Amino acid sequence: AQKVTQAQTEISVVEKEDVTLDCVYETRDTTYYLFWYKQPPSGELVFLIRRNSFDEQNEISGRYSWNFQKSTSSFNFTITASQVVDSAVYFCALSEGAAGNKLTFGGGTRVLVKP
Amino acid sequence: NAGVTQTPKFQVLKTGQSMTLQCAQDMNHEYMSWYRQDPGMGLRLIHYSVGAGITDQGEVPNGYNVSRSTTEDFPLRLLSAAPSQTSVYFCASSPGSRGRDEQYFGPGTRLTVT
Repeated sequence: AQKVTQAQTEISVVEKEDVTLDCVYETRDTTYYLFWYKQPPSGELVFLIRRNSFDEQNEISGRYSWNFQKSTSSFNFTITASQVVDSAVYFCALSEGAAGNKLTFGGGTRVLVKP
Repeated sequence: NAGVTQTPKFQVLKTGQSMTLQCAQDMNHEYMSWYRQDPGMGLRLIHYSVGAGITDQGEVPNGYNVSRSTTEDFPLRLLSAAPSQTSVYFCASSPGSRGRDEQYFGPGTRLTVT
């Protein structure tokens, strides 16, 4: 069965510090997809990124970057120069190619950015 | 487009009461699903549908029923509410059923069962 673990339940940083969120996954499928979602205090879920199992290229989008390593089954997320608006709960999620769109979520990491 | 809409936003039920959480999408998406969010546990899949007339169970289906009579709507029914069903419920939709499809989430319904 698939599983996603986000070991950090809460991270507190001061504005402009970098913060890295860890995500470790388990799956037996060779085809799978990894996602990151952001849940700000308002409660909605905002899609951030999708990565498929055949593409280990790291990605940078503005202050956000993602490091996908199949060898360690990890898909970590870094926020560079954090801002107060980055305060949110961040979820890592996995879907297996054979299981369609069924997402398995990690428990989430709450990020608090203090001014 | 309104995207994915959910009603109500908040609901308080007494144990044993029934109710339906409404979910609608106007993007002509094939796939729709319901998740519940509990503290420290992320979101867990309750039921999903790959198209009108087709539904299936997710990870935590007990106590919930669904139906999909149209592409747009996917209501979630609680037949006899229990305190364990206190949670935030999210509806989601995506264009297809392939694992790679991004899912669009509604704003959520916060349900309290006393």
